[in-house]
Amino acid sequence: DQQVKQNSPSLSVQEGRISILNCDYTNSMFDYFLWYKKYPAEGPTFLISISSIKDKNEDGRFTVFLNKSAKHLSLHIVPSQPGDSAVYFCAASAGTNAGKSTFGDGTTLTVKP
Amino acid sequence: EAQVTQNPRYLITVTGKKLTVTCSQNMNHEYMSWYRQDPGLGLRQIYYSMNVEVTDKGDVPEGYKVSRKEKRNFPLILESPSPNQTSLYFCASSHGLAGGPFAYNEQFFGPGTRLTVL
Repeated sequence: DQQVKQNSPSLSVQEGRISILNCDYTNSMFDYFLWYKKYPAEGPTFLISISSIKDKNEDGRFTVFLNKSAKHLSLHIVPSQPGDSAVYFCAASAGTNAGKSTFGDGTTLTVKP
Repeated sequence: EAQVTQNPRYLITVTGKKLTVTCSQNMNHEYMSWYRQDPGLGLRQIYYSMNVEVTDKGDVPEGYKVSRKEKRNFPLILESPSPNQTSLYFCASSHGLAGGPFAYNEQFFGPGTRLTVL
């Protein structure tokens, strides 16, 4: 039972355009969500997060939207840059189970110059 | 420099030969965790620790052991490795928020250990 799903294994966009990465979850106890970015041969690095009490969080070119009723979140990158090319992981946590994190399978983003 | 270090970075071993992958963080983080990454399966949590001598199972703990005797170190032990444990392993750490779940905080990941069990 995969509780966090990223249904698009890959996404290709043109430099300067918007990248939208999607994540769905099934566990209604999840109340905190994070996005991580991973380059080859490196560990993941934190990008942005959102609490379930919000529906949007922005940090520069990155915005995360949360739709609790649909159990769906998305990461928007505007404008996309070639350096954004990486694997993006969505992660979810529940306050009732401190320390446990559930990750999606990841989406490989390629931004073409 | 704040970092999470893992050793070794690459390891090829044979079935049944006990091994330990070390993980150390210099950020005084309370929370540490081990993950494995396999193609098409994302990151799966193996074990996590909320503080010294406090550990708990993640989603895929079978075949692994951990210990947290010191705050900075969290070794992963494979007592009898098998080929299905061939994977890329990541250690991570994060601060605990006072009164809040540790997993709410961003995790800092090590560079990864690529393990091959023949």
